[in-house]
Amino acid sequence: KNEVEQSPQNLTAQEGEFITINCSYSVGISALHWLQQHPGGGIVSLFMLSSGKKKHGRLIATINIQEKHSSLHITASHPRDSAVYICAVTGDKLIFGTGTRLQVFP
Amino acid sequence: DAGVIQSPRHEVTEMGQEVTLRCKPISGHNSLFWYRQTMMRGLELLIYFNNNVPIDDSGMPEDRFSAKMPNASFSTLKIQPSEPRDSAVYFCASSTEGYYTEAFFGQGTRLTVV
Repeated sequence: KNEVEQSPQNLTAQEGEFITINCSYSVGISALHWLQQHPGGGIVSLFMLSSGKKKHGRLIATINIQEKHSSLHITASHPRDSAVYICAVTGDKLIFGTGTRLQVFP
Repeated sequence: DAGVIQSPRHEVTEMGQEVTLRCKPISGHNSLFWYRQTMMRGLELLIYFNNNVPIDDSGMPEDRFSAKMPNASFSTLKIQPSEPRDSAVYFCASSTEGYYTEAFFGQGTRLTVV
């Protein structure tokens, strides 16, 4: 069993839909990161959080430390949100999830 | 600032050759990371420097891989000798303080070893 698991692995949505991507982890952590990797390959850090919730534009990230779970929400999704979203946790070491591939169609 | 700069963007080399990847972190960032991404294994941390000193190199696959950071504005990742299984995209990232601050990624170097 992977120490960081994401679900779903693949996600297809229509433009405008509300999207949720989940990340569960089994190790003690001090922080959790959400990354976005565009089809061209570039990686952008979206959020780093250790408690509660953060919001940036249409993106919202939440974390529940007790349940060892984080969610990334996208409101009013758009085709330009199509990317791979990667969860990573930092504890003793940095561990990456396998990513969620999101495709948003017009 | 231009962001994290990696070179080259693409590298094709023959098995057995030495390969050197280069990275210039964002000015003022104290931490630098080298990652490798493959289809099979996803993103993996290879090595992490803080203030030019290697802090965690547990992800370096074997002795063929070495990384240096001679100063705050430059790092190299060297593979010698290269093997086809080293083919991957190698990313460099920097942050102000380790894993606990936002990391900024370079565009990556796509390495193909034939």
